[in-house]
Amino acid sequence: ETGVTQTPRHLVMGMTNKKSLKCEQHLGHNAMYWYKQSAKKPLELMFVYSLEERVENNSVPSRFSPECPNSSHLFLHLHTLQPEDSALYLCASSQTGTSGGWDTQYFGPGTRLTVL
Amino acid sequence: AQRVTQPEKLLSVFKGAPVELKCNYSYSGSPELFWYVQYSRQRLQLLLRHISRESIKGFTADLNKGETSFHLKKPFAQEEDSAMYYCALSGRQYSSASKIIFGSGTRLSIRP
Repeated sequence: ETGVTQTPRHLVMGMTNKKSLKCEQHLGHNAMYWYKQSAKKPLELMFVYSLEERVENNSVPSRFSPECPNSSHLFLHLHTLQPEDSALYLCASSQTGTSGGWDTQYFGPGTRLTVL
Repeated sequence: AQRVTQPEKLLSVFKGAPVELKCNYSYSGSPELFWYVQYSRQRLQLLLRHISRESIKGFTADLNKGETSFHLKKPFAQEEDSAMYYCALSGRQYSSASKIIFGSGTRLSIRP
């Protein structure tokens, strides 16, 4: 499959569960991102990984834990979430240049998360 | 503070009418501005970026630094333009990855 893929597409979990979201990009990019999209707020950047190193946290609660084992894969580990964490979680990737890039973001389809 | 403002949550126009989606930004440096679009049941995707100075699907957007605006325009709306539109700003914050801020989005509805 081409582009950016995300699994699962839908996830329902209880507040005490532990689950993980997976993102994979097939574009050869060197940066990956997690965003949260909820009905009441604009698209919020959660984490940025560039060259597998996390460069931005954006004060996200510790119940969200990202992992980037290589430039093609990105995970978001979820633990003891709250109902207000229910949202669409989007993954994106981009290719940044050595001069500092503001490059086009390529988005995945998202994982619709519901926390009961 | 960095901010992107899209004042209209919903914009409804008739087919063939001109469209203008407003976007204002606040940024102290030299930002790059984008418009992203999300059609029904499709993923969020880039529509255009100011640095490219292109017209995509008949849409154009001009960066006005004096008014700190990047409004999206199309002279004649088509039904297939109905979608959610997001204005976004990317700034020179990091030596590597981009930091991008999105507006709250405007839902454009084209009436037949």
